[in-house]
Amino acid sequence: EDQVTQSPEALRLQEGESSSLNCSYTVSGLRGLFWYRQDPGKGPEFLFTLYSAGEEKEKERLKATLTKKESFLHITAPKPEDSATYLCAVQARASKLIFGTGTRLQVFP
Amino acid sequence: GAVVSQHPSWVICKSGTSVKIECRSLDFQATTMFWYRQFPKQSLMLMATSNEGSKATYEQGVEKDKFLINHASLTLSTLTVTSAHPEDSSFYICSAPRGEYSPLHFGNGTRLTVT
Repeated sequence: EDQVTQSPEALRLQEGESSSLNCSYTVSGLRGLFWYRQDPGKGPEFLFTLYSAGEEKEKERLKATLTKKESFLHITAPKPEDSATYLCAVQARASKLIFGTGTRLQVFP
Repeated sequence: GAVVSQHPSWVICKSGTSVKIECRSLDFQATTMFWYRQFPKQSLMLMATSNEGSKATYEQGVEKDKFLINHASLTLSTLTVTSAHPEDSSFYICSAPRGEYSPLHFGNGTRLTVT
């Protein structure tokens, strides 16, 4: 059965303290792995798509990487405005998106 | 800017009444839209796939007679929660891909509270 597990469930960081979020997955025939950011009371905002192991993508302080079993979202020198829930989702071939439960990130000044 | 618009952003209704939620693609045509439900601190759960001009495809465990989906045009899908009950209170979010191989873009969600 296709499955996505995110860890940690919650993460508190001091401003400037770099860290990584993990997304472990089991899926038959990965079509794509997606990272989204969700602010409270809002819909998810698309960040990255990764398609194959070894692929990396960057956007400002965020960098996403992918292996055959997991993906990491690295946050370098985070700022308070990076506080949000980060969602990971996988899509198998001809299949729906399966979301993880997310990591709630809080960055304190 | 936003590419998927959802309305209303929140609604409170009495038990037994029906509520309609609209989802629009703003600058592209969406033959397929997706409706999700999200409970607090839980994952997004796909409810149904809305197909323009044909019947929606519902996920296992989702009552099609309770959650009516209409996708009458290439830019509009609606979800109607019929005879709503307090357990239907949740955050409902729609999404659509901008193209065949593009990621899903989400609306800002609708917070439904049934009293």
